[in-house]
Amino acid sequence: EAEVAQSPRYKITEKSQAVAFWCDPISGHATLYWYRQILGQGPELLVQFQDESVVDDSQLPKDRFSAERLKGVDSTLKIQPAELGDSAMYLCASSLGQVNTGELFFGEGSRLTVL
Amino acid sequence: QQQVKQSPQSLIVQKGGISIINCAYENTAFDYFPWYQQFPGKGPALLIAIRPDVSEKKEGRFTISFNKSAKQFSLHIMDSQPGDSATYFCAGGFTGGGNKLTFGTGTQLKVEL
Repeated sequence: EAEVAQSPRYKITEKSQAVAFWCDPISGHATLYWYRQILGQGPELLVQFQDESVVDDSQLPKDRFSAERLKGVDSTLKIQPAELGDSAMYLCASSLGQVNTGELFFGEGSRLTVL
Repeated sequence: QQQVKQSPQSLIVQKGGISIINCAYENTAFDYFPWYQQFPGKGPALLIAIRPDVSEKKEGRFTISFNKSAKQFSLHIMDSQPGDSATYFCAGGFTGGGNKLTFGTGTQLKVEL
């Protein structure tokens, strides 16, 4: 069964350092999302791509976060510099996009701990 | 406002019992209401979903009840099993423009033997 791949699964870093997360969506899925899930809370959308274009990044802290999906396939989310409050699970999800059922397929996430 | 409020925060049910989780939404433009199930260390996975033109949807032991006038919906898990122990998230979304979802805060369900 096709899955959303994410790496790394776990990342421990010190504050002020740079971190990057990678996501490879299910093949053929035009829409890709990055969500942040703080422990004990629901996922919150950071950025949404349709192919290589950003559809919504209104909740992305652009002073330190950046996201790209250069060829409309895999994507990278970067944080620089990391802050203590960035400790969370970063979830990538994909969906079919224009021809949609409403279902998002999530990866297993990248858990970030900032010390 | 696009908040989705979910309750209870945690729930303990005996094996074979009924688990009920409730959600309320504010944005009447939502046209899609899914429930996601998340096991520890895993990403959320779609469990069941409903659209606002339907009052109830059942899939196996899982049922969504939807009350459009009250802007509320709930998940019922019949004959709850220990394997159902997980965190459940309701969400509201717009299927046009790429399935943008707003999630509730989650309910941690534990089914005891």
